[in-house]
Amino acid sequence: SAVISQKPSRDICQRGTSLTIQCQVDSQVTMMFWYRQQPGQSLTLIATANQGSEATYESGFVIDKFPISRPNLTFSTLTVSNMSPEDSSIYLCSVSGTGVRVDEQFFGPGTRLTVL
Amino acid sequence: GENVEQHPSTLSVQEGDSAVIKCTYSDSASNYFPWYKQELGKGPQLIIDIRSNVGEKKDQRIAVTLNKTAKHFSLHITETQPEDSAVYFCAASSYGNNRLAFGKGNQVVVIP
Repeated sequence: SAVISQKPSRDICQRGTSLTIQCQVDSQVTMMFWYRQQPGQSLTLIATANQGSEATYESGFVIDKFPISRPNLTFSTLTVSNMSPEDSSIYLCSVSGTGVRVDEQFFGPGTRLTVL
Repeated sequence: GENVEQHPSTLSVQEGDSAVIKCTYSDSASNYFPWYKQELGKGPQLIIDIRSNVGEKKDQRIAVTLNKTAKHFSLHITETQPEDSAVYFCAASSYGNNRLAFGKGNQVVVIP
């Protein structure tokens, strides 16, 4: 499986500010995703990060709030914009298409965000 | 879209006993069913998965069974050990889609 790293691992931010989270993979992957996991809850897909084009957002998530970039096959960023305390969550990057079994999906360690 | 339900929400077992977690799904087009283990402070780890063309898969102490007719699948952990204590998530997607729908998670506590 791919080795996935995220930066920062955690952050405490003030409301109204923005934070950009980076996801780096050690090999080229077909697909990259961003999930949100609110405290003690399940994972919710925010968007699919498409290389060289706009991300595909799930219902309830919009580009203005969660702009995403994917400049190549190993890197993506998620920005949480104009943050409020309700954005306090773990943000997870995942990847698939790392090998023969293209549907296997692997997760990074997550970024723990607290908004005051 | 796909709706995945997971039961029970919390499960306590004595060390050495077996644990079973059940999930149901709603979309008959779903054909890929992974299970993830999430330890405190870490990202989810893929532990086993099953595709709709098989009914059971085993990997050492863990196994997954799938009933396509009833639209449910289960995770079985045998000879549980303290390090099995974690939150377990089931998920479902359809081939080529890769967009996983997750269950709410199950906290498994193995009592030494």
